Amino acid sequence: QKEVEQDPGPLSVPEGAIVSLNCTYSNSAFQYFMWYRQYSRKGPELLMYTYSSGNKEDGRFTAQVDKSSKYISLFIRDSQPSDSATYLCAMSARSNTGKLIFGQGTTLQVKP
Amino acid sequence: NAGVMQNPRHLVRRRGQEARLRCSPMKGHSHVYWYRQLPEEGLKFMVYLQKENIIDESGMPKERFSAEFPKEGPSILRIQQVVRGDSAAYFCASSPPRQSMNTEAFFGQGTRLTVV
Repeated sequence: QKEVEQDPGPLSVPEGAIVSLNCTYSNSAFQYFMWYRQYSRKGPELLMYTYSSGNKEDGRFTAQVDKSSKYISLFIRDSQPSDSATYLCAMSARSNTGKLIFGQGTTLQVKP
Repeated sequence: NAGVMQNPRHLVRRRGQEARLRCSPMKGHSHVYWYRQLPEEGLKFMVYLQKENIIDESGMPKERFSAEFPKEGPSILRIQQVVRGDSAAYFCASSPPRQSMNTEAFFGQGTRLTVV
């Protein structure tokens, strides 16, 4: 069993839709949760960074963490074609570290 | 303010040759992490280095792979006697010293290694 599970998709939605991306994990020691966006043939770009349980909002993006269920989500409101990319969840047990455990990534396509 | 610089962006090697991948961290960053991304898979941690020290190499294959981060110059990921299974995208990330307020890791654009 992988430490972090993420449905690879692909997920296709029309422009303007609300997108929900999710990851589950098995290691209860994880405290720090991140979402990265990766465009084709590019490096991952950090979108959201959250600590422990709760919600964090940044523009059209909302990250949720439910540690009791070992479940994290990323919501994208008013999705745009430019949001088409692969979204990777990542997590770690410690702060101040670049040693992360990544999910497989979900490929999202937003159609105009 | 340049980001994490990796070169080459693309590298083709024949089976049995050596591959050298270079990573220059962001200015002021002293921590470097290497990751490998196989097709249709997420990133897998390989090694964590600080200047002249390997801190964590728990994700490195036991043979043929090595990494260094010398006092001067870029970090190098070296793969000896490459095989087809080494074909992947290799990403480098860097982060500032631990005592810094902002300790997010920033990724480079990757080196895509193809073994033929």
